Amino acid sequence: DQQVKQNSPSLSVQEGRISILNCDYTNSMFDYFLWYKKYPAEGPTFLISISSIKDKNEDGRFTVFLNKSAKHLSLHIVPSQPGDSAVYFCAASVDNYGQNFVFGPGTRLSVLP
Amino acid sequence: DGGITQSPKYLFRKEGQNVTLSCEQNLNHDAMYWYRQDPGQGLRLIYYSQIVNDFQKGDIAEGYSVSREKKESFPLTVTSAQKNPTAFYLCASEDRLGNQPQHFGDGTRLSIL
Repeated sequence: DQQVKQNSPSLSVQEGRISILNCDYTNSMFDYFLWYKKYPAEGPTFLISISSIKDKNEDGRFTVFLNKSAKHLSLHIVPSQPGDSAVYFCAASVDNYGQNFVFGPGTRLSVLP
Repeated sequence: DGGITQSPKYLFRKEGQNVTLSCEQNLNHDAMYWYRQDPGQGLRLIYYSQIVNDFQKGDIAEGYSVSREKKESFPLTVTSAQKNPTAFYLCASEDRLGNQPQHFGDGTRLSIL
């Protein structure tokens, strides 16, 4: 049973609009969450993180929202750009150590010009 | 520039053969990880090492082996005991203090001939 779910395998958004990628988790002990972005034939790169003491973290065009009671987080990209087209992975952990991260299956975002 | 190098990018194996995937990092990170990615699934942890000469099994270690003789290197051997080795393999490293997110290599795609 997947502990971290990304229920939308793919998402298409028009350039300039907002992209919203969702992630749900089942383990209430998860305390630290990350988003990674992955281009084809490359490894994932870190995008943004949030710990459970916050409900929002912003970095430029990227904002992550955390709703602990709903066990849900989302990544907002505003405005979306064609270069944002990639697979986005959500990851969760009970701490900040890599061996404990659980990754979601990813959502493929396509930003259309 | 510091980073993680995985080689080769593509690897083909005959059934019954062992094969070793290389991972080298020059980030001076203590911790290193091997993940496997299959279609529709998140990254799953195979093995990890927090320090030289020490490593631990992850969630799907069966059919794999690793060594950590040097801080910079964490090779993964896919043995003939791994029944379904065709996958995309990603190596990652991390500052042991956990203050920075994981850095990933570009991956190796292993296919069975």
